[in-house]
Amino acid sequence: DIQMTQSPTSLSASVGDRVTITCRASQSISTHLNWYQQKPGKVPKLLIYAASSLHSEVPSRFSGSGSGTDFTLTISSLQPEDFATYYCQQSHSTPALTFGGGTKVEIK
Amino acid sequence: VQLVESGGGLVQPGRSLRLACAASGFTFDDFAMNWVRQAPGKGLEWVSGISWNSLTVGYVDSVKGRFTISRDNAKNSVYLQMNSLRVEDTALYYCAKDISLGLNGFDYWGQGILVTVSS
Repeated sequence: DIQMTQSPTSLSASVGDRVTITCRASQSISTHLNWYQQKPGKVPKLLIYAASSLHSEVPSRFSGSGSGTDFTLTISSLQPEDFATYYCQQSHSTPALTFGGGTKVEIK
Repeated sequence: VQLVESGGGLVQPGRSLRLACAASGFTFDDFAMNWVRQAPGKGLEWVSGISWNSLTVGYVDSVKGRFTISRDNAKNSVYLQMNSLRVEDTALYYCAKDISLGLNGFDYWGQGILVTVSS
């Protein structure tokens, strides 16, 4: 099974900061990597698919990069509404899909 | 796109439940469908998925042999039959539309349905 490891597990940042979250796969997954945002008590939302493609209506301050085993989600200028937990998810080993453990972005 | 889950509730260990998800607002048989769960205070866990034509199904290891996913394209619905339920299956279960015909990722989610397994 492919394991997904996110780092850090949590971070504190200020509005306007550039934030980077890392996701590492236990083996190469090409670009079969998606990113989600979940706010407390809310349903998760797709941000990025295929490692770097922005889902519809997602602000352009979000971007994704990487291939193989190492991936990053970057928020170029953190906004108040971006405080949430972010998850990566691989689909390389379909039909077995796996999520990372999540990264909680908190207000500094 | 609207996804509405039903069938959750409180059940004793070892018993069964059947979750249903009614979909609308998109061409149902053009997309795979999935179930994702979230235990209280924990992260997301993909549980099961089914391709558009039901030929490909997948399960997380912890539910293999106990859960069965199915879909009825005529009724725009997907189901999760959960047998031999365990305490550790307690979670909010989300129905999620896939971004493709096969099992890939999740672009729309239902509000979730709570399953509590407890004696």
